[in-house]
Amino acid sequence: GAGVSQSPSNKVTEKGKDVELRCDPISGHTALYWYRQSLGQGLEFLIYFQGNSAPDKSGLPSDRFSAERTGGSVSTLTIQRTQQEDSAVYLCASSLDRGALGNTIYFGEGSWLTVV
Amino acid sequence: KNQVEQSPQSLIILEGKNCTLQCNYTVSPFSNLRWYKQDTGRGPVSLTIMTFSENTKSNGRYTATLDADTKQSSLHITASQLSDSASYICVVSANNDMRFGAGTRLTVKP
Repeated sequence: GAGVSQSPSNKVTEKGKDVELRCDPISGHTALYWYRQSLGQGLEFLIYFQGNSAPDKSGLPSDRFSAERTGGSVSTLTIQRTQQEDSAVYLCASSLDRGALGNTIYFGEGSWLTVV
Repeated sequence: KNQVEQSPQSLIILEGKNCTLQCNYTVSPFSNLRWYKQDTGRGPVSLTIMTFSENTKSNGRYTATLDADTKQSSLHITASQLSDSASYICVVSANNDMRFGAGTRLTVKP
């Protein structure tokens, strides 16, 4: 696709349920990032994938959060046993290479998660 | 303490006026600085990227400046339009680590 695609765009789930959020990065982009943005807050780093290297998971807030990237392309962020504080927008981004090298980082439109 | 501080937190201006948003950082070693625009309910969109050697970069009515000595950047918006209403996020990179500011919420009123 032309941009970073995320699904679902909106998800309402009951507390305690598991959710999966999907990110389809721009074709050819080796770097993929997940961020979380609570209402009115800044972006919070969650996890970073770069090619075949081990992901940087330092931003994951708890062991209920996990992510994988299959075949170096599509990524799935999984939240187990969701809590109300997990309600936020989950943004995925991708870039040609490591973002810190100066490549433009493209964001998806986000997945809005509401835990009730 | 956040290594990227943005000010003001929010700003309201009249259509057609200019404004300047500030970004101060302590991230080191510095690699590059980016400004993003995030419309409500949308993902951030890149406005500018500046490396250590760049002092200014323009993108239409948006002009970003960088002073790597004082570790300050500004985003100047000229002749504001209603569509400029958004959050503006400063992102500073060090090696392969990016630090996000909390953003400035700009509202342009007619």
